[in-house]
This record gives sequence, C-alpha cells and structure tokens, in this order.
Amino acid sequence: NAGVTQTPKFQVLKTGQSMTLQCAQDMNHNSMYWYRQDPGMGLRLIYYSASEGTTDKGEVPNGYNVSRLNKREFSLRLESAAPSQTSVYFCASSDDRNQPQHFGDGTRLSIL
Amino acid sequence: KNQVEQSPQSLIILEGKNCTLQCNYTVSPFSNLRWYKQDTGRGPVSLTIMTFSENTKSNGRYTATLDADTKQSSLHITASQLSDSASYICVVSAGSGTYKYIFGTGTRLKVLA
Repeated sequence: NAGVTQTPKFQVLKTGQSMTLQCAQDMNHNSMYWYRQDPGMGLRLIYYSASEGTTDKGEVPNGYNVSRLNKREFSLRLESAAPSQTSVYFCASSDDRNQPQHFGDGTRLSIL
Repeated sequence: KNQVEQSPQSLIILEGKNCTLQCNYTVSPFSNLRWYKQDTGRGPVSLTIMTFSENTKSNGRYTATLDADTKQSSLHITASQLSDSASYICVVSAGSGTYKYIFGTGTRLKVLA
C-alpha cells in the first residue's frame, strides 16, 4: 500500500541550484497535484495535472515547472532555487477534482 | 476574497474527552468541504468530504457538520485518543468545474494522557 511516494524526503540547496522533486502514485488516479506548505499558511497549489498529458498553473506557479511523465508520475522542477522557495512540498493524487486527495509525506526543502 | 478560517488555532484536551473544531468559509461558488488530519511530519489524510446537500458525515469517531447557509462547518471528535494529536485542516473546493482548493491553516490538537 505505497499510495503516493515522494523523493527525496529532505534536500538542502544553494541559491541558484536546480533540482527536481519526484512523485509517483500507484492508485491509478487521473489527477495529480503539487502543493507547498509554509508556517502559518494553508497549503497552496503550485501546479496540477487533471489527467495524463495535461498540466495547469495553480495559485503560486512562479519559479516552478512540472512534467506529467505518465499516469503514475508527476515531477516538480525548480530551475534556479531561491530562499523564498524554502518550504515543505506535498504531492497528491485523486480520481478527479471532486474526490478526496491522497497526499505523500512531503519533501522538506531548504535553500540557503 | 476566498478564505477559510479555523478556530481555535490550538487545543489541548485530556484523553477520553470530546472536542469540536470550527471552520468558517467565504468561498464562492461552493463545491464541497473537506476535513483532513495531518500528523507531524506526514501528509494530510482525508477524513470527510461533504457537498452542498449534505449536512453531516461521520468517519468513526469523527463527525463533520456543514451549514451551507451560514458557511460554517465543525469537526467533532468523540472519546479522544492520544493518536488524535495532530493538525486538522478544513478545505473548501471552489466550484465544481475548477481545481481551486482553499486550505485553512489548521487547528493543532494535543491529547494528553
């Protein structure tokens, strides 16, 4: 029962470095999402993929890119990391927009 | 502006006691309201999801209510256990045709033995 798997769990980057956060789900869900969670704020949607082959911007997309590699995998890329992107990143999936989302356990990213 | 506000911010109760968490929202148009439980260091886990026509939904010892007229929801936890210590997050989905989810900042619950 893996559900949603995120890698890595922790990462420290220097300003300007790039990296890709990986996410895979084994529930055959159509929709996948990337969120960030910052202290004192609710989760905010970065990008989502309603179905395989489509991606759309969420509330806070600037500085990020995504790829829906196949139905299982949805990656998030930081091209040039900035300290403001220090956060906990969660990937989630669901059957469709009206169904509960299943979350991974997050990637804790620090940018120095 | 779409907003979800939760109260209290934090709560401490003794094991075995009941508690109620509140969620007020100003989200339009409304599609559904969700409650999630988030353990420290883990991702949120869905507890309940309610549409406009539903005014109560249970999941074991968790019971959520929804008053769409006053735009209020509550999550009642019965006979609390130590494992209920977590953050509880209220989320409102805006519009049935969109992927717009408004997250509250959560209520942090601590259950003491």
